[in-house]
Parts: sequence; C-alpha cells; structure tokens
Amino acid sequence: AQTVTQSQPEMSVQEAETVTLSCTYDTSENNYYLFWYKQPPSRQMILVIRQEAYKQQNATENRFSVNFQKAAKSFSLKISDSQLGDTAMYFCAFMIGGRVPGGKLIFGQGTELSVKP
Amino acid sequence: GAVVSQHPSRVICKSGTSVKIECRSLDFQATTMFWYRQFPKQSLMLMATSNEGSKATYEQGVEKDKFLINHASLTLSTLTVTSAHPEDSSFYICSAKLANTDTQYFGPGTRLTVL
Repeated sequence: AQTVTQSQPEMSVQEAETVTLSCTYDTSENNYYLFWYKQPPSRQMILVIRQEAYKQQNATENRFSVNFQKAAKSFSLKISDSQLGDTAMYFCAFMIGGRVPGGKLIFGQGTELSVKP
Repeated sequence: GAVVSQHPSRVICKSGTSVKIECRSLDFQATTMFWYRQFPKQSLMLMATSNEGSKATYEQGVEKDKFLINHASLTLSTLTVTSAHPEDSSFYICSAKLANTDTQYFGPGTRLTVL
C-alpha cells in the first residue's frame, strides 16, 4: 500500500522569505505522479504543482518549486518570496499511473503554513 | 478552465433525513469523479471513485448503502447521504478528472451539519 507522510504539522515563515515543506512517500510502483495542493481558509483545494516520477527535472511554477528525490522517496515543496496569500494548509499527494480509469489520490496529513507580515 | 462546482455549499438537516450533494464539471467532461470527506484540521479521506455510467467503487469502511453515489453524465455526479445522523456532519469535497489526464480538480466543498 502507498503512504504519504508530512512530518511538519505546522510551519511559519516571514513574508518574503523562503520556506520548505517536506513530504516522503512509500511505494513499490515505478510509474506515479506527485502533487502539492493548497487549501486556504476558504477550503477550496488548489493545485500548486505536479511532478511525474519518470522525469528527473524538478517541476517549478513561478515561486513554487519541488525537490524530487526518487531514490529517497522524498518530494519537498519550496516556496520562495513567501506572500501573505500563501497562508494555507498544504497537502502532498500521490497517484499511481494516472492515465488509467480511477487514479485516486493518496494525501499526506497536511502542513499548516502561516506567513507572517 | 477546469472548474468544478458543488451545490449546496452548506446544508443543515435533521437527523434521519437524506441529503443530496451535486458535483458538476463546468467546462470539461469528467470521466471520473471522486468524493472525499474532511474533518476539521485533518486530511481528505477518499470515500469513493465514480466513473460515468458505472457503479461507484467505495473505499474500505465506507457504507455504500448510506452514501449513494450516482454519476449519470460526464458532467454530474451526486452524493446522497441517506438517513443522516450527527456523526455524518462533515465537509464533503468532490473532484473531477479529465479523461487521459492525471490531475484532479476540486469543487469548493459542502459543509453538512446534521442536527
């Protein structure tokens, strides 16, 4: 069975600084996808970034980037130049071989990030 | 693009009644939709996977007779909580996935309160 672990229940960062959220996962699969979702106080889940396991290059989306270490089964999220609007719960998620019917997400426990002015 | 809506956003009902929650993909066809339940300060727990035109696949421990899921079209899935009880009070979230893609798009959620 696949598991996703986020070991930091809460984190805080000063506005404009950089913060890294950690995520580890366990799987015996070779073809899978990893995601970071953000859930602000509105509770709307928003996709932040995705990574395909077969790609060695780390994904980036503007201020958000990941450090994907496949051998270590680690998938951390770095937020640069933190903004107040980044305050949210962040969930790491795993999906096996997405391009098949089903393709369910397995979520980590979440990290609550507070960006302080 | 890739917008998912849910209705209602909030519902309060009496114990013993049934409640239907709708999930719609507004600008794409979703061959697969998912239903999650989330308690405060906790992660999303997958309840079931719904494929258009077929029966939903429920996760272990989820009562299929209590949580009825219908996915009659490529843009609409419904979750009916039958004979609701206070312990069913929670935040219910749906998501939808385009055919042959990997990304799920989430609805805004429905807060159910059972009195």
